[in-house]
Amino acid sequence: DAKTTQPTSMDCAEGRAANLPCNHSTISGNEYVYWYRQIHSQGPQYIIHGLKNNETNEMASLIITEDRKSSTLILPHATLRDTAVYYCIVRVGQAGTALIFGKGTTLSVSS
Amino acid sequence: GAVVSQHPSWVICKSGTSVKIECRSLDFQATTMFWYRQFPKQSLMLMATSNEGSKATYEQGVEKDKFLINHASLTLSTLTVTSAHPEDSSFYICSATPTSGSPYEQYFGPGTRLTVT
Repeated sequence: DAKTTQPTSMDCAEGRAANLPCNHSTISGNEYVYWYRQIHSQGPQYIIHGLKNNETNEMASLIITEDRKSSTLILPHATLRDTAVYYCIVRVGQAGTALIFGKGTTLSVSS
Repeated sequence: GAVVSQHPSWVICKSGTSVKIECRSLDFQATTMFWYRQFPKQSLMLMATSNEGSKATYEQGVEKDKFLINHASLTLSTLTVTSAHPEDSSFYICSATPTSGSPYEQYFGPGTRLTVT
């Protein structure tokens, strides 16, 4: 799986958009970009994933650059409950293989 | 949505005893389940991959005789920490991939906090 690089921490004001970057310059053509988050003392929660097109769901938007070497997760209106560690994971969509977590970005949302 | 449960949510045991943690997929069948361990302020570390009806595959550095994994049905996997010691105190999280559906899906349980005294 491709290696990812994320900032260690980020701050965001409540109600503002949170933009979390992820670099994955060695991504292969068949690898997807996944985003999960982990709120303190809970199991990880799936947010969104994509291959090369931008994706949006009820939680967030995922913007992938044209060369696929980086992506940005956007939480359009951050709330205090979005305070968590956000993990960007790049992997092939192969059944039976585990997600491998890096260190992620700790997002702190404050009022 | 797909739900994975773990039991117990937290457990305290004495050094030298064994403790079993259950992971259940509540509304789907899971051929494959995964076990992770997370120490304070660290990321999740994959311990093993568990396939229904076969032996688990352990990651390098994880003692298979200490962390016994059983995946006897399509909805249940168990992790038994044998002869637990204080250094085994950690947050244990399981996840499951549905048998049918997208191979991209992996659902996580809420975790089990183990404290060994």
